[in-house]
Amino acid sequence: KAGVTQTPRYLIKTRGQQVTLSCSPISGHRSVSWYQQTPGQGLQFLFEYFSETQRNKGNFPGRFSGRQFSNSRSEMNVSTLELGDSALYLCASSTDRLNTGELFFGEGSRLTVL
Amino acid sequence: LAKTTQPISMDSYEGQEVNITCSHNNIATNDYITWYQQFPSQGPRFIIQGYKTKVTNEVASLFIPADRKSSTLSLPRVSLSDTAVYYCLVGDKRSSYKLIFGSGTRLLVRP
Repeated sequence: KAGVTQTPRYLIKTRGQQVTLSCSPISGHRSVSWYQQTPGQGLQFLFEYFSETQRNKGNFPGRFSGRQFSNSRSEMNVSTLELGDSALYLCASSTDRLNTGELFFGEGSRLTVL
Repeated sequence: LAKTTQPISMDSYEGQEVNITCSHNNIATNDYITWYQQFPSQGPRFIIQGYKTKVTNEVASLFIPADRKSSTLSLPRVSLSDTAVYYCLVGDKRSSYKLIFGSGTRLLVRP
């Protein structure tokens, strides 16, 4: 069974640009969550999608957005990039609304903003 | 969501048993306790989850006292490959919830 796949794995952008990251969950998983990990702030929840609907959102500015498609694949977008957006962005999937507590994480997309 | 407190770091040697304790004084009735492991530049990996007493799987045991205000992750006979950051989280697994990761415990296993 394939795991959670995130693309791209690494990318470099400059301030002011925007970026789109993609996540393919484990087959059959309908919940997709996104997290940002930085050395200073640790792992922080961005948002969660289930059946194409955002049902949870963390405390991030509106520059961070996401969406989920009918096949459960998800994308997150960061607009007007800032230096502080440099981080490892992790996607996680889980089975269904009755969350078992077990999230399956991808290897992440490492974004560097110059 | 209940906040958790863990030691920032721990050192051990290969073959030893390691116990990492997590404090969660404000745990709610419906909250479960979950532990994740994370290696550098990888996503966290689920280790174990429990509600009360003791849970054991092939990699770890989780001990939860009756008041559930703390929990202890026990790793038997650690190896160098167990060097990682370990996160303790609490939350209600019966409904969607966002995971709040604390600072975690950085475990270093020495030869």
